[in-house]
Amino acid sequence: DAKTTQPNSMESNEEEPVHLPCNHSTISGTDYIHWYRQLPSQGPEYVIHGLTSNVNNRMASLAIAEDRKSSTLILHRATLRDAAVYYCILIDRFDSNYQLIWGAGTKLIIKP
Amino acid sequence: GAGVSQSPSNKVTEKGKDVELRCDPISGHTALYWYRQSLGQGLEFLIYFQGNSAPDKSGLPSDRFSAERTGGSVSTLTIQRTQQEDSAVYLCASSSGDRVVGQPQHFGDGTRLSIL
Repeated sequence: DAKTTQPNSMESNEEEPVHLPCNHSTISGTDYIHWYRQLPSQGPEYVIHGLTSNVNNRMASLAIAEDRKSSTLILHRATLRDAAVYYCILIDRFDSNYQLIWGAGTKLIIKP
Repeated sequence: GAGVSQSPSNKVTEKGKDVELRCDPISGHTALYWYRQSLGQGLEFLIYFQGNSAPDKSGLPSDRFSAERTGGSVSTLTIQRTQQEDSAVYLCASSSGDRVVGQPQHFGDGTRLSIL
């Protein structure tokens, strides 16, 4: 399965945009890019996903590189509640037994 | 609406005892997953149920681990003869649809299992 690489941690100031990078140089043409986040002492929470085109929802935006070898999760205006571990995950759309393969994620620290 | 519910939220037991962890998925969700998470790590897949199909047990670490899903709803993860390395947070997730990639998984808050 294709793997992802994320920085261990990032810091950002409150009310500023945050760009969380993810590298997936071995991504296949049938892999979806998913992002989840996990707040302390909680289960993971779905954030957004995409295949080729950039995606927006109420939580965030996902920018996917043209060659799909990297992507960026964008939080437009970070709040203290956005402090969490963010996971970038690939899922093969044709894998009938698909499961989420998780790395260690990026710990996002928001400074007031 | 009700999300995924797991019980107990915390479980402390002695080495060698059996434990049962329960998961109530979101009503109507046909897919159910179990994962475990060690401190500071990502999630490790354990088992997957989809409708009436045979479960995917490929992630179970040993034959001490088993799971069942009754009536396509509630699931129980059982660990027999617990070992200290079984200490972790056990997470359950459910999703709608049959193999529809892109359907997000909805997670419970997990059961924190501590083996003394």
